[in-house]
Amino acid sequence: GNSVTQMEGPVTLSEEAFLTINCTYTATGYPSLFWYVQYPGEGLQLLLKATKADDKGSNKGFEATYRKETTSFHLEKGSVQVSDSAVYFCALRPGSSNTGKLIFGQGTTLQVKP
Amino acid sequence: DAGVIQSPRHEVTEMGQEVTLRCKPISGHNSLFWYRQTMMRGLELLIYFNNNVPIDDSGMPEDRFSAKMPNASFSTLKIQPSEPRDSAVYFCASSSAGEKSSYEQYFGPGTRLTVT
Repeated sequence: GNSVTQMEGPVTLSEEAFLTINCTYTATGYPSLFWYVQYPGEGLQLLLKATKADDKGSNKGFEATYRKETTSFHLEKGSVQVSDSAVYFCALRPGSSNTGKLIFGQGTTLQVKP
Repeated sequence: DAGVIQSPRHEVTEMGQEVTLRCKPISGHNSLFWYRQTMMRGLELLIYFNNNVPIDDSGMPEDRFSAKMPNASFSTLKIQPSEPRDSAVYFCASSSAGEKSSYEQYFGPGTRLTVT
């Protein structure tokens, strides 16, 4: 079956620290991979995506590379800010799907302290 | 462009009452999703529609929950009768699904439901 596993949170960092949030997946075929971010009191927003192996998605200083050999899509940022404090969700769309249904991970809370 | 619109933003009701949540997807999108989010269970997909047709309702908790999409621009999620354990934030999301689509889901701001 299809599933997404994220590292447990909360992740607490000081401002300007390096961030990694691990995400691994199980899927048949060639899924598309996404990272969504949810700020307090808001809905989820697409942060970045990658649709095929070795693609790198990037946005707002965040990056993630689609690694088929390790079935991973880890989120990284070189220098986090207090404003990056949010919940981050990794998700996949099965390659065989034609309806847009996404499989989400459980979310990882990031807290950045000044 | 207007995003996904949900109403009401907050709803407080008493146990046993009927609750109706509303969603207007982004114009041109043909897939619509209803999610529920709680601290205990995280983000759960309740049901999704493709071209106004329910495709998968296996996430609907029980018969008290029902969802409709009478046309491409409107959907409702109804809980009848409501119970305190239904208290959660309910999100609607829409996407464009098809051969040349990106399948990105766009989420609304959510409806925070409190059942007392």
